[in-house]
Formats: sequence, structure tokens, C-alpha cells
Amino acid sequence: AQSVTQLGSHVSVSEGALVLLRCNYSSSVPPYLFWYVQYPNQGLQLLLKYTSAATLVKGINGFEAEFKKSETSFHLTKPSAHMSDAAEYFCAVSDQKYSSASKIIFGSGTRLSIRP
Amino acid sequence: EAGVAQSPRYKIIEKRQSVAFWCNPISGHATLYWYQQILGQGPKLLIQFQNNGVVDDSQLPKDRFSAERLKGVDSTLKIQPAKLEDSAVYLCASSSRVQGTAVSGANVLTFGAGSRLTVL
Repeated sequence: AQSVTQLGSHVSVSEGALVLLRCNYSSSVPPYLFWYVQYPNQGLQLLLKYTSAATLVKGINGFEAEFKKSETSFHLTKPSAHMSDAAEYFCAVSDQKYSSASKIIFGSGTRLSIRP
Repeated sequence: EAGVAQSPRYKIIEKRQSVAFWCNPISGHATLYWYQQILGQGPKLLIQFQNNGVVDDSQLPKDRFSAERLKGVDSTLKIQPAKLEDSAVYLCASSSRVQGTAVSGANVLTFGAGSRLTVL
């Protein structure tokens, strides 16, 4: 069975500061990993995905994440926070089955607040 | 490309009443998902369709929830009778992937804006 754990349900940083959102995964097979963002009253939007091509993945809006197999982690970072980054962020995992309509399992989410 | 459409956006009902949510996926997307997102939690998969067949409904409370995708396009999720704990946002998502086909790479879902249900 696969699962993800997001450490910290709420993270608050100052505008311009480093953003670090933590995600650890559990999977018995090689995983695909995702970060989705949800703005208020909107659906989830894909930020970035890890598909085993490269361990450092760059996404939209200046975010990136690094896959570390030894630590079973996929933490999301952004060097300089912007007010518009305030949202809920979800880490997710699916397996690398060849028949790739696999379901995606989401973590519980981290709410990111940005202080002026 | 039009996104995933969902309606209604908001619904308030009394417990034991019924409610239905509608989803129109991205044109051509074979796979459709319904997720339940309770406040403060991540989305939980309720049911996954491929065309008009069910791939996974293991977490669907079948005594009160039902879903269909009769023509392999639009889908309806129904709750009858509703309970207080059904208060949540119901998210529909779609994907172009088809299980069993030889396609590599991650399965990326496109989500609708969701339908927020409040049960009083």
C-alpha cells in the first residue's frame, strides 16, 4: 500500500523567505510523486511531478522538489515566497505500473501562509 | 481546452435528504475520478471510472453513495440519505490514461473546482 505523510499542517513564512514543505512517502514499488496546489474555492492544480527522469524537479511558479530515495522524501521548496503563494499544498503518490491509469493517493495537506 | 466542469458549486441540505453532483470531464478523457475532501484533510478517492465501467470503488460507501457514467462522458455522484459526516467538497477529476495501455509516465489528473456540500 502507498501513503504520503506531510509534516506540518500549517506553515507560515515571511514574504521573500524560503518556503519548505515536507513530504515523506511509503511505497512498495517505485513511485511517481506529485505536488498539487489548491487555491481557495478552486480545484487542485499540478505544480510538479517526479517520474524518475531526474531527482530534482522544477515546477510552475518557481517551485521545485527533490526526490531522495534514501530518505523516502519529496520536499517542496521555493527560494523566495510571494504573497500569491498562499494556498493549500498536497503531496501525492501513485505507483509506476505499466498500465498507468493508477489512482493517486494524497497527503493531508499543508496550508502555506505568507506574512507581509 | 475547456476544463473539468462541476455543478452545483454549493449545496446545503438537511440530513437524510438526497443530493446529486454532476461532472463533465475534459473532452476525450477516458478516466474519471470522484474524490471526497473533508475540511482539513486531503482528497480521498471514492470511485474511478474508465469509460463507462468502474475501475475502483473500494472506498465508496455503497449503502448511501452511488455513481454512474452511463455514456462514458458525464458522471453523476448521488448521496441518499445524507449524513452530517458527508459534509465535504466533492472533487471530480479526469485523465486521458487508459488502464492496460502501453503508456509510460505519470498519470496527471485535471480537477474541477469542486462541489461543496453542507449537511445540517
